[in-house]
Amino acid sequence: AIQLTQSPSSLSASVGDRVTITCRASQGISSDLAWYQQKPGKPPKLLIYDASSLESGVPSRFSGSGSGTDFTLTISSLQPEDFATYYCQQFNIYPRTFGQGTKVEIK
Amino acid sequence: EVQLVESGGGLVQPGGSLRLSCAASGFTFSSFAMSWVRQAPGKGLEWVSVISGSGHSIYYADSVKGRFTISRDNSKNTLYLQMSSLRAEATAVYFCAREVGAFDYWGQGALVTVSS
Repeated sequence: AIQLTQSPSSLSASVGDRVTITCRASQGISSDLAWYQQKPGKPPKLLIYDASSLESGVPSRFSGSGSGTDFTLTISSLQPEDFATYYCQQFNIYPRTFGQGTKVEIK
Repeated sequence: EVQLVESGGGLVQPGGSLRLSCAASGFTFSSFAMSWVRQAPGKGLEWVSVISGSGHSIYYADSVKGRFTISRDNSKNTLYLQMSSLRAEATAVYFCAREVGAFDYWGQGALVTVSS
């Protein structure tokens, strides 16, 4: 199975900060990567698919980049509603796999 | 509006069985693959299984292979997960999700607790 390693596992940031989360795959997955946001007690919400395509309705401060094995999710200016846990997920092959998550907390 | 609503969760004893359902609406159900994804309390997301739109192609995570069975009834727009020989480590919220490569729509989840 393809392993996805996210870093950092958690971070503290302030409103207005630029935040970057990385996801590294154990083997090449082309651009078959998605990013999700999850808040407590809620299902995950798709933010980015195909590594860099913004899901409809998602604010433009979210962006994704990368291909092959190295990917990033960037929040250009952190907003209060962005404090959550973020997951990457590969859909290159089965079994589908997720990163372990990055918790974004308020500084 | 796309809606996915899980049901069938609850408390079950170790070794027992449970069937989850996911009722879909707002899209052509038979045209989409559907997956189950679970999340143990305080933990990350774990993909469980997928079934193609026709039902002819199925995959499972190694952790559930041989004990869980995914199925669908396209006439009822419903996805199922039959879980048997349940262990404590199966305790989780189980989400159904529409798969388009990524998972673009998710249900609210059904809690399954395996405990004596």
